Amino acid sequence: DAGITQSPRHKVTETGTPVTLRCHQTENHRYMYWYRQDPGHGLRLIHYSYGVKDTDKGEVSDGYSVSRSKTEDFLLTLESATSSQTSVYFCAISEEGVSNSPLHFGNGTRLTVT
Amino acid sequence: QKEVEQDPGPLSVPEGAIVSLNCTYSNSAFQYFMWYRQYSRKGPELLMYTYSSGNKEDGRFTAQVDKSSKYISLFIRDSQPSDSATYLCASKSGGSYIPTFGRGTSLIVHP
Repeated sequence: DAGITQSPRHKVTETGTPVTLRCHQTENHRYMYWYRQDPGHGLRLIHYSYGVKDTDKGEVSDGYSVSRSKTEDFLLTLESATSSQTSVYFCAISEEGVSNSPLHFGNGTRLTVT
Repeated sequence: QKEVEQDPGPLSVPEGAIVSLNCTYSNSAFQYFMWYRQYSRKGPELLMYTYSSGNKEDGRFTAQVDKSSKYISLFIRDSQPSDSATYLCASKSGGSYIPTFGRGTSLIVHP
């Protein structure tokens, strides 16, 4: 693994509750990403970060927010979880200042919203 | 239409077969091409990373890019049951930090 830890690994929550997923990296990489993976859709980018406090939206950002207060941590928050947000969430990182650097992924968080 | 298209499969082959996995892409600006392997309940793992056209070999795996036809291939020689996984292709343009992923092809190698 590329020094990426996602927590929790599994979570079940109820509709309407807030949920925060954490991604922690030990590689000191500048770029961090949150994806969701669903059958028939593949990987879809939610948000990404290009530095501390620097974030931007991906293609499926509605209902999600992110924060990055330290290089090593990137948090994904579902302000009010909905059943459509049941998914597997992956964090990824890529190397600073190297635009041709590939992404490396964590092992995911499986979220179920009931 | 997605910028990177991939047949979802499943592709089922006998052990020892040569496997060919393919993707097509539509964005002429794509210059970097990646293949990831994803086992069930795990994150995608980078297998191959290539720039522009041509072949790249790593053990039993060969990645091939044909930019003229916008076609990306991954060949697996002497396939093993442990190769059973979902294979994702991805592409990105120079200067971009965000790749575009295909939806993945499920491969089953049976003994």
